[in-house]
Amino acid sequence: AQSVTQLDSQVPVFEEAPVELRCNYSSSVSVYLFWYVQYPNQGLQLLLKYLSGSTLVKGINGFEAEFNKSQTSFHLRKPSVHISDTAEYFCAVSDQRGGADGLTFGKGTHLIIQP
Amino acid sequence: DTGVSQDPRHKITKRGQNVTFRCDPISEHNRLYWYRQTLGQGPEFLTYFQNEAQLEKSRLLSDRFSAERPKGSFSTLEIQRTEQGDSAMYLCASSPPAAVEAFFGQGTRLTVV
Repeated sequence: AQSVTQLDSQVPVFEEAPVELRCNYSSSVSVYLFWYVQYPNQGLQLLLKYLSGSTLVKGINGFEAEFNKSQTSFHLRKPSVHISDTAEYFCAVSDQRGGADGLTFGKGTHLIIQP
Repeated sequence: DTGVSQDPRHKITKRGQNVTFRCDPISEHNRLYWYRQTLGQGPEFLTYFQNEAQLEKSRLLSDRFSAERPKGSFSTLEIQRTEQGDSAMYLCASSPPAAVEAFFGQGTRLTVV
């Protein structure tokens, strides 16, 4: 079984400032890692994913994340946020055995962009 | 580009009534998932289909819940004798063969009054 901890339930940041959203996971097997974004009353949109290879992955909308196996972390970063980045962000993991158990999500981090 | 489609988007029902939601996955996606998301929480896995076969069910899926995917295309999720605790967003996601990421629909928000 896997678990995901998103350490901050809410992160306020000023427009054009950098931001980091933290995610730690726990698993007894190898996992794939994902970040999804959810706008109000919408479904989830994939921002980026880590499957293997380079530990720094780039996604859509200028986001990137770094996989750190020793710290079991997958933090999301953006160098300069925009008001349109205001949303809920979810970190998720799935095991590498075929995905039958679906994704395990964290509780989410609400990113609030202040003008 | 037709993504995952869910119907209805919103449903208000009285406690004790039955409700049924529909999900149309992206064409050619053989894998389909249902999740439940309550306020302030991340989505929680409910069940998984590969083609028409239901291969996994979460402990969250009580016997009042049933899901089907006839012919391996669209899927339905039925909740019988709804309770107030069933109020949530129900999300459907699909994945193509050999891919690991899931593509989500916009969800059906259920309110049980």
